[in-house]
Amino acid sequence: AQSVTQPDIHITVSEGASLELRCNYSYGATPYLFWYVQSPGQGLQLLLKYFSGDTLVQGIKGFEAEFKRSQSSFNLRKPSVHWSDAAEYFCAVGAAIQGAQKLVFGQGTRLTINP
Amino acid sequence: GAVVSQHPSWVICKSGTSVKIECRSLDFQATTMFWYRQFPKQSLMLMATSNEGSKATYEQGVEKDKFLINHASLTLSTLTVTSAHPEDSSFYICSATNRAAGNTIYFGEGSWLTVV
Repeated sequence: AQSVTQPDIHITVSEGASLELRCNYSYGATPYLFWYVQSPGQGLQLLLKYFSGDTLVQGIKGFEAEFKRSQSSFNLRKPSVHWSDAAEYFCAVGAAIQGAQKLVFGQGTRLTINP
Repeated sequence: GAVVSQHPSWVICKSGTSVKIECRSLDFQATTMFWYRQFPKQSLMLMATSNEGSKATYEQGVEKDKFLINHASLTLSTLTVTSAHPEDSSFYICSATNRAAGNTIYFGEGSWLTVV
């Protein structure tokens, strides 16, 4: 069965600093990987996804992630964070079920931005 | 606009009553949908796979008699929390995959359930 680990429960960075959120997955086949962001009291917004091809994936809001099969990782990065990036970030791995994608989420990383 | 719509967004109900949450795919057909639950400050956990025209598949530890799932059409799945208790208070969110659009996953806006 697939699983996702986000080692960092809470990260604090200063505005304008670079960011890297870690994600490690376990899955027997080629994984479908996702990063979502959730603001307090809100639903999920997809930042980016990896299905195949180029292992460096560009997403919205200036985020990118790199799939490293050898390390079973899919870390999320942003070169310069903005105060509006403060939120909860979830990494997820997908498995195809009857043509649909079932997601297993990591525990989440809460990002706090210092002014 | 929303591609997957959930209703209601917020609901408060009394202990012992039942509440129904709808998940509707607006522009595509979804033979399979998924229901997730998120307790405050926790991650999302898959509850069940909703299958159009057949029984739902529940994850381990999820009571099928308490969380009734009906997927009677290709665009609508419903989750009914029966005999709700305060510990069922949570954020419930559904997802559907648009296979015609590169298997894009769409999440509903989510439904906040508070049981008092």
